[in-house]
This record gives sequence, structure tokens and C-alpha cells, in this order.
Amino acid sequence: TQLLEQSPQFLSIQEGENLTVYCNSSSVFSSLQWYRQEPGEGPVLLVTVVTGGEVKKLKRLTFQFGDARKDSSLHITAAQPGDTGLYLCAPNSGGSNYKLTFGKGTLLTVNP
Amino acid sequence: DTGVSQDPRHKITKRGQNVTFRCDPISEHNRLYWYRQTLGQGPEFLTYFQNEAQLEKSRLLSDRFSAERPKGSFSTLEIQRTEQGDSAMYLCASSLTGSKLEQFFGPGTRLTVL
Repeated sequence: TQLLEQSPQFLSIQEGENLTVYCNSSSVFSSLQWYRQEPGEGPVLLVTVVTGGEVKKLKRLTFQFGDARKDSSLHITAAQPGDTGLYLCAPNSGGSNYKLTFGKGTLLTVNP
Repeated sequence: DTGVSQDPRHKITKRGQNVTFRCDPISEHNRLYWYRQTLGQGPEFLTYFQNEAQLEKSRLLSDRFSAERPKGSFSTLEIQRTEQGDSAMYLCASSLTGSKLEQFFGPGTRLTVL
């Protein structure tokens, strides 16, 4: 069973600040997805990363997949209150090709 | 564009009662998943269908839980003799085969067992 850690668990910042959240494991992933979840709603897919070292940008969000494909990071530039939510990473270790294993997430609050 | 829908959005029940939840996936998606999420945790896998076949059930899914997808379209999740520990958000997701595990989630059903 892979151990999946997301850090920090909680993050509260002011509008306009930059931040980075992390997803780490001892296992190698074949791909990894990031989701954002708002209170009382289901997770919304943000991005899928597949190749080691890959960087993907989605407006003010930058996603990086580690070279060894064991970790990933999400960087948000100039955070806005609308970025508030629970950020979840869900890697695929390749052993099963259908179910997602989620971390506990990072709960981000962006204050106006 | 219709995404994944779930019904009801909220359910409050008394301990010992049975409840049933429904999920309607994105129409062309042949895979359907159920997850459970408790406070402070990420979603945990419960079960998975490819078309109408239930291909895996988690150990989290006790024999009080049953899921069906009779025609390979919508799915139901039934919990019999509910317990307070069943209180959680029940999430449904769907995907296409070979889609890099890109699953699209519904809004969830929040179950509270009193």
C-alpha cells in the first residue's frame, strides 16, 4: 500500500500571495491527477500529469510532476478568494488502472 | 453539457433504516465508481463498474452495502440497517476506458445517520 502525503494540511493566506502545495509518496506513479473540491461539492479535475519532469499551466496554477514520478507540486500565483477549496492529489501507481487513491488534501483559504 | 448527477443531495435518516442513492454518469462513459468521503479525509474507493459488471468492491463495502448498474447506465448504492458510522459524503464518478483515469465526479450525496 502506497503512503501518500499532502502538505501542508491547512493553509490560510491573503489575496495576492503565492503558494505551493505538495503531494509526496515513496511509490512511483504512472500518472497523477489534481482535483479541487469546494465544501459540499464533488472534486473537480484540474489536471493530469504523466511524464516525469512535466510542467503544466492552467492560468495562475502551475503543476509539476517530479522527475522520479514520486511527487508533484501545485503552485498558485496571486491567489484569489475563488481559489479557496480542498486540493486533492490522486496518483495512479499502475497496479490498478481504474480506481483513484486520494491524499487527505490541502485545505486552502484565501482571505480577501 | 450534463455532467455526473446524484440524487438526493442530502439524506438524513435514523439508525437502522435503509437508504438508496442514485448516480447518473456522463452518458458516453462506460466506467462508474463510488467513493466515500468523511470529514478531513480524501475520497475512499468503494466499488467500480465497467458497463453493467461490478468489477471490484473495497473491503470498506460491508455486506450492508450493495451497488447495482443494471443497464450499464445509472447506478444505485443501497445501505441497509444504517449505522452512525455510515455518515459521510457518497461520491459517484464516471470515466471512459483508457482515459488516463480522468474521472469526473458528481456533487455527492451527504448522508447523516442519527
